[in-house]
Amino acid sequence: KNQVEQSPQSLIILEGKNCTLQCNYTVSPFSNLRWYKQDTGRGPVSLTIMTFSENTKSNGRYTATLDADTKQSSLHITASQLSDSASYICVGTSGTYKYIFGTGTRLKVLA
Amino acid sequence: DVKVTQSSRYLVKRTGEKVFLECVQDMDHENMFWYRQDPGLGLRLIYFSYDVKMKEKGDIPEGYSVSREKKERFSLILESASTNQTSMYLCASSSLAGGVGIQYFGAGTRLSVL
Repeated sequence: KNQVEQSPQSLIILEGKNCTLQCNYTVSPFSNLRWYKQDTGRGPVSLTIMTFSENTKSNGRYTATLDADTKQSSLHITASQLSDSASYICVGTSGTYKYIFGTGTRLKVLA
Repeated sequence: DVKVTQSSRYLVKRTGEKVFLECVQDMDHENMFWYRQDPGLGLRLIYFSYDVKMKEKGDIPEGYSVSREKKERFSLILESASTNQTSMYLCASSSLAGGVGIQYFGAGTRLSVL
């Protein structure tokens, strides 16, 4: 069964600190792994997309890693800002149209 | 900038009403999707369309139908709204170009069925 599991469910950090969010996936056939940021009351916005052959990809202060052997991915946020407060969703893609969404990690950054 | 526009941010309807949720994208994308998002659950696919007049059922199509008469517009229809269809509805579009097309989402429609 295709599934994506994320941890932790929620996280609180102080502004300026780093954090890492985790994602374990079982997706077959596997096409790529995506991370989205979703602000409260808004639609998700794509942060990174990684294919099987990529093991790291950055987007500003966001760095995603992918270990295709262990089927794990992480999203590292460096020098967090208040605007990073959001839900972060990991998505495994199978084929062209099948997107398997995790339930997200809710991050709160405090001043 | 890609724009996916959903016609309503908030909608309140009564049980049994027929409800139309409209979505328009301005980037000539082939693929369009309708999802619902509920607390504690990941986004669940209701329907998607890969071309005009083409549609495929997603994971939870029961109680919904869709229409895609023009490439830029994808409508979700609740034939007879029920309280368990109270949810956040998200529309998305993507391009086939490059094989790893980015999905762009609308801001969502929060539907309450009373």
